[in-house]
Amino acid sequence: EPEVTQTPSHQVTQMGQEVILRCVPISNHLYFYWYRQILGQKVEFLVSFYNNEISEKSEIFDDQFSVERPDGSNFTLKIRSTKLEDSAMYFCASSPGQGKHSPLHFGNGTRLTVT
Amino acid sequence: AQSVTQLGSHVSVSEGALVLLRCNYSSSVPPYLFWYVQYPNQGLQLLLKYTTGATLVKGINGFEAEFKKSETSFHLTKPSAHMSDAAEYFCAVSVRTSNDYKLSFGAGTTVTVRA
Repeated sequence: EPEVTQTPSHQVTQMGQEVILRCVPISNHLYFYWYRQILGQKVEFLVSFYNNEISEKSEIFDDQFSVERPDGSNFTLKIRSTKLEDSAMYFCASSPGQGKHSPLHFGNGTRLTVT
Repeated sequence: AQSVTQLGSHVSVSEGALVLLRCNYSSSVPPYLFWYVQYPNQGLQLLLKYTTGATLVKGINGFEAEFKKSETSFHLTKPSAHMSDAAEYFCAVSVRTSNDYKLSFGAGTTVTVRA
């Protein structure tokens, strides 16, 4: 069964550094998402992406965050200048249709640790 | 605003015993509800979903959930727990945003299975 793949599985970075989290969604999916889960907290929505543009973003997704689909297969999340509070598990997800009807398929996540 | 609340952050059951995980929703419109499971070091995997129609929904691995509008509940059950059911379980509701839908997750319930 096709899977969403995320790399790396674990990223350690220093505060103030830029990080790029990478995702390869399922190939025929059209909707792409990033969620995050801070340790001990709920899974939170960050951003959704469709037709090469952001369709929705949460208040967490400020100017330090950006997403890109550079080559038609990868879907990346960039954090420009990481803060300690960005430490979390970041999940990429994709869906063949809009999220109400079509369940999201999640990757295994990237654990980001900011020191 | 649509949201879900999971009652009980930890549930411990004996192998072979009933698993019951509670989820209540808050929604002014007919909700689309989901249960996801997260095994250790893995991503979120869809167990089952309720959209419309039959209120008893069967999912993977022997799990099922019943949508009860009168009780605003969507509890997850499995008649006989297996050791492999040890995981974290998340209830979620699909929430309409300006341009898309997003999942709003509950806080999660960690299930441990005793031999």
